[in-house]
Amino acid sequence: DADVTQTPRNRITKTGKRIMLECSQTKGHDRMYWYRQDPGLGLRLIYYSFDVKDINKGEISDGYSVSRQAQAKFSLSLESAIPNQTALYFCATSVGNIQYFGAGTRLSVL
Amino acid sequence: GQQVMQIPQYQHVQEGEDFTTYCNSSTTLSNIQWYKQRPGGHPVFLIQLVKSGEVKKQKRLTFQFGEAKKNSSLHITATQTTDVGTYFCAGGTSYGKLTFGQGTILTVHP
Repeated sequence: DADVTQTPRNRITKTGKRIMLECSQTKGHDRMYWYRQDPGLGLRLIYYSFDVKDINKGEISDGYSVSRQAQAKFSLSLESAIPNQTALYFCATSVGNIQYFGAGTRLSVL
Repeated sequence: GQQVMQIPQYQHVQEGEDFTTYCNSSTTLSNIQWYKQRPGGHPVFLIQLVKSGEVKKQKRLTFQFGEAKKNSSLHITATQTTDVGTYFCAGGTSYGKLTFGQGTILTVHP
């Protein structure tokens, strides 16, 4: 959905590097989420935020941090990337229960 | 924590055959949603079921929510090549979080 924009779309980095994935939305939704997708594991929630002052850990938050800079922006950081963080990362927003996903960021950690 | 199991992981069908994917939650859900992810794409919302025993149809797709609100199914009648993709169920709680199943990857052979 073009209303949820993720940058970069692809990223290759090395073990130990700090990287940031960014998400911005024009939907005006308060709720934002970060997921990672791995083959056979579905979508797993990393962090979520229900408004600018609210940040919550998901089921796999270790090794990740987030920042909600504004209603429209929610960034995900890997403080020291490791190879098993290689995955497809999705940002999503929601209104009610329905979630709207960005196009994803494919991250490779070498 | 809440777990949502989805089977099968893969399904290969000939065009025109039917397809069903099943979803089971370890806890009672407030709602269940279904998403479709085309190859190389992002998850896109299909439908939400809220009521016990609810059945909804979208053209060739039929969605059911179990009486106990712990299971759900998606049935596609007479598959077409455009149905190819990964189908995810996602169990919702009253807190606005979703727990996704592992997804079923559907391949349709012409």
